[in-house]
Amino acid sequence: DIQMTQSPSSLSASVGDRVTITCRASQSISSYLNWYQQKPGIAPKLLIYVASSLQGGVPSRFSGSGSGTDFTLTISSLQPEDFATYYCQQSYSIPYTFGQGTKLEIK
Amino acid sequence: QVQLQESGPGLVKSSQTLSLTCTVSGGSIRSGSYYWSWIRQPAGKGLEWIGRIYTSGSTNYNPSLKSRVTISVDTSKNQFSLKLTSVTAADTAVYYCARGVEGRRDAFDIWGQGTMVTVSS
Repeated sequence: DIQMTQSPSSLSASVGDRVTITCRASQSISSYLNWYQQKPGIAPKLLIYVASSLQGGVPSRFSGSGSGTDFTLTISSLQPEDFATYYCQQSYSIPYTFGQGTKLEIK
Repeated sequence: QVQLQESGPGLVKSSQTLSLTCTVSGGSIRSGSYYWSWIRQPAGKGLEWIGRIYTSGSTNYNPSLKSRVTISVDTSKNQFSLKLTSVTAADTAVYYCARGVEGRRDAFDIWGQGTMVTVSS
């Protein structure tokens, strides 16, 4: 299985901050990396697919980059509704695997 | 707009079989190039992909669960289902069904709301 490791595991930030979350794969996954946002008690929501493509309806302050083994999710200017847990997920090979999550909290 | 809804027992006894159904509404399960997946999340923990099915009936399973999992589809009812046998407390989790988009390299673009399943002894 491909292991996905996110850093940091948790992050405190303020509204308006620029935030970057990193995801590293245990082997190359080309660009087959997706990012999700999850709020408590709610199903995950797709933000970014294939490393850098923005899902429809997702604000443009979210962006993704990377290829191979190293990927980043950037939120350019945090909004109150962005405080949530973020997961990366590889769709390069089965079994699909997720990172452990990064909890973004209000400072 | 396509929506997914999980249904099934919220409580399953240890060693028995967990059975869940995902109903697809707002569109046909056969339309487009989609895979239909099950994903679970133990309380306070991360996400685990269980397996998927294509409308042709072809399946892929997570090897960690493969010996206990069966995913099937009923296109006439616009549903797909999960069976997990010989459950233990470790199978207690919120179970989600989700749609994977082939054209987006199987990213899960639509999710059900999730259903909590508790395995009791």
